[in-house]
Amino acid sequence: GNSVTQMEGPVTLSEEAFLTINCTYTATGYPSLFWYVQYPGEGLQLLLKATKADDKGSNKGFEATYRKETTSFHLEKGSVQVSDSAVYFCALKGSDSNYQLIWGAGTKLIIKP
Amino acid sequence: GAVVSQHPSRVICKSGTSVKIECRSLDFQATTMFWYRQFPKQSLMLMATSNEGSKATYEQGVEKDKFLINHASLTLSTLTVTSAHPEDSSFYICSARGKTGRNTEAFFGQGTRLTVV
Repeated sequence: GNSVTQMEGPVTLSEEAFLTINCTYTATGYPSLFWYVQYPGEGLQLLLKATKADDKGSNKGFEATYRKETTSFHLEKGSVQVSDSAVYFCALKGSDSNYQLIWGAGTKLIIKP
Repeated sequence: GAVVSQHPSRVICKSGTSVKIECRSLDFQATTMFWYRQFPKQSLMLMATSNEGSKATYEQGVEKDKFLINHASLTLSTLTVTSAHPEDSSFYICSARGKTGRNTEAFFGQGTRLTVV
C-alpha cells in the first residue's frame, strides 16, 4: 500500500541555516505529493504541492521537487527564520484516492536565534 | 484560502463522559469532511469520511459507536467521543473539502486536544 516516510525530529537549526527535511514515499501509479505545516497552536496549512514527476512546489521560500526516480519529495529552504519553527508533514494522495491523504509522522523544526 | 473552524481547541473531560467536537466551514460549503486523529510523535490517521446528508465511512479499526460523526449540513460536522476513556486522549483534526473533484483542496481546522482524566 501507499506510505510516506519522513525524517525523525526534532531538527534544530540556527537562524539563516540551510534546511532539508527528507521525505520518501511508496505508491502505485502517480500520486500527488504535499507538504503541510502546523505552527504552534494552529491547524494544518498546505505549504506546497506537486502533482507530477519533476514538478517543483514552492512557497514562502520553501521548495520541494517531485523525484519519481528516487521516490522522494524533500523539503528545502535556503535560509530559515525563527518564525519557521513548526511541525512539517509530508503527505501523498494516491492517483485513485478521493482526497484521502497518507501522512508522514511529522518533523518538528526548531530554529534558534 | 478557505476557513475551517474547529471547536473547542482544548477539552478535559472525566472518564465515562461524552465530548462533542464541532467542525465548521465558514466561507464555503463542505460536501466532504474528514476526521483525523494524531497520537504523540505519530502521523495523522484518518478516522472517517463523511459526506453531507449520508452516513460516515469509517476506517478499519475505528469504532463507529464510539466515535459518532454527524454531517447534518454543508457547513457543519460533529465528532462525538462517547464514554471517553484515557486512551482516547489525543489530538483530533477535521478537514473539509468543497465541490467534488480529486484536485480540490481540503482545508484543516485548528485541531482539538482531548484529555480524558
